[in-house]
Amino acid sequence: QKEVEQDPGPLSVPEGAIVSLNCTYSNSAFQYFMWYRQYSRKGPELLMYTYSSGNKEDGRFTAQVDKSSKYISLFIRDSQPSDSATYLCATGAAGNKLTFGGGTRVLVKP
Amino acid sequence: DAGITQSPRHKVTETGTPVTLRCHQTENHRYMYWYRQDPGHGLRLIHYSYGVKDTDKGEVSDGYSVSRSKTEDFLLTLESATSSQTSVYFCAISGQGEYSPLHFGNGTRLTVT
Repeated sequence: QKEVEQDPGPLSVPEGAIVSLNCTYSNSAFQYFMWYRQYSRKGPELLMYTYSSGNKEDGRFTAQVDKSSKYISLFIRDSQPSDSATYLCATGAAGNKLTFGGGTRVLVKP
Repeated sequence: DAGITQSPRHKVTETGTPVTLRCHQTENHRYMYWYRQDPGHGLRLIHYSYGVKDTDKGEVSDGYSVSRSKTEDFLLTLESATSSQTSVYFCAISGQGEYSPLHFGNGTRLTVT
């Protein structure tokens, strides 16, 4: 079993819909949680970064962490075609000691 | 791109040849990392550095070596390339401390024939 599991998708949604992404992790020592966005042939770009359980909002993006269930979520409101990318969750015992999920490919159709 | 330059961006090489990939940063960050990204495996840590001449192994370090003689440069060497090392290689940097997240370069696409 991988330490961080993520559905590979693809997840296809119409423009304007809410995109819902999630990951599960197995190590209860993990306390840093991140979401990265990766466009084709580019490096991962940090989207959201949280240390605790609960919600964190940044514009159209909301990250949720439930440490009791070891469950991480990312929601994208009012999705745009430019949100089409692969989204990677990452978690670890420190912000620079991360284990990554395999990524979920998202397609937002105009 | 957080001031990270990887070179070359693309390389094709033959089995058995040595290959060196370079990562250059302009952020003066202490930590530097090499990851590989493969379908079905995600990003996996190869080696990392926590200072000049200070390096350590990651989860997939066999067949790779690294060197860091200056803060800004981190080199990854495949001593004798194999087809299983065909991958996309990403360099990442982070500041000091556990609150500093990783920032990635745009990768080097390596094909070993």
